[in-house]
Amino acid sequence: KQEVTQIPAALSVPEGENLVLNCSFTDSAIYNLQWFRQDPGKGLTSLLLIQSSQREQTSGRLNASLDKSSGRSTLYIAASQPGDSATYLCAASNYGGSQGNLIFGKGTKLSVKP
Amino acid sequence: GAGVSQSPSNKVTEKGKDVELRCDPISGHTALYWYRQSLGQGLEFLIYFQGNSAPDKSGLPSDRFSAERTGGSVSTLTIQRTQQEDSAVYLCASSPSGGALLYFGPGTRLTVL
Repeated sequence: KQEVTQIPAALSVPEGENLVLNCSFTDSAIYNLQWFRQDPGKGLTSLLLIQSSQREQTSGRLNASLDKSSGRSTLYIAASQPGDSATYLCAASNYGGSQGNLIFGKGTKLSVKP
Repeated sequence: GAGVSQSPSNKVTEKGKDVELRCDPISGHTALYWYRQSLGQGLEFLIYFQGNSAPDKSGLPSDRFSAERTGGSVSTLTIQRTQQEDSAVYLCASSPSGGALLYFGPGTRLTVL
């Protein structure tokens, strides 16, 4: 059974700092891995999707990497801004089961201080 | 363009009542998902529809929960005889196909008194 873990649960950084959010998963037979952000009281916004055959994806100041052999993904945020404050969730989907069955971590709550 | 919409945004009900939650996916998206998020918990998969295939109901927590998707578009999640532990935010998402990027709606916050 796939389990997804995100550490730390919360992170506070000063504005302008580069930071890395960590995601680990127990079953390396993933179909893809996705990163989302969730703002308080709102739904999830998709950030990046990495297919199992890919190593990384980039969008603006965000870069997500995937290492299936070690069961890890990281989300790198460059030059953080107060607007980046949100909870960041990673989710993995596996082969063999429903491709829609994303298994989510509990998230990392990021606070960027001005 | 229009995103995923859900209604109602908030629902307060009494224990034992039935509730229906609605999801309008992005037009043309063949895949539709329901998740729920309880306070302090991660997102829990409930059910997944892909085109005309039989839905994946493996995440439904009990037989009080059911969902349908009419005409490959709108979906309704029904919870019968609601219990206090059903209180959560119910999130719907759609995707152009299974395994592609998910687009989430704003959610329905269900409170069972």
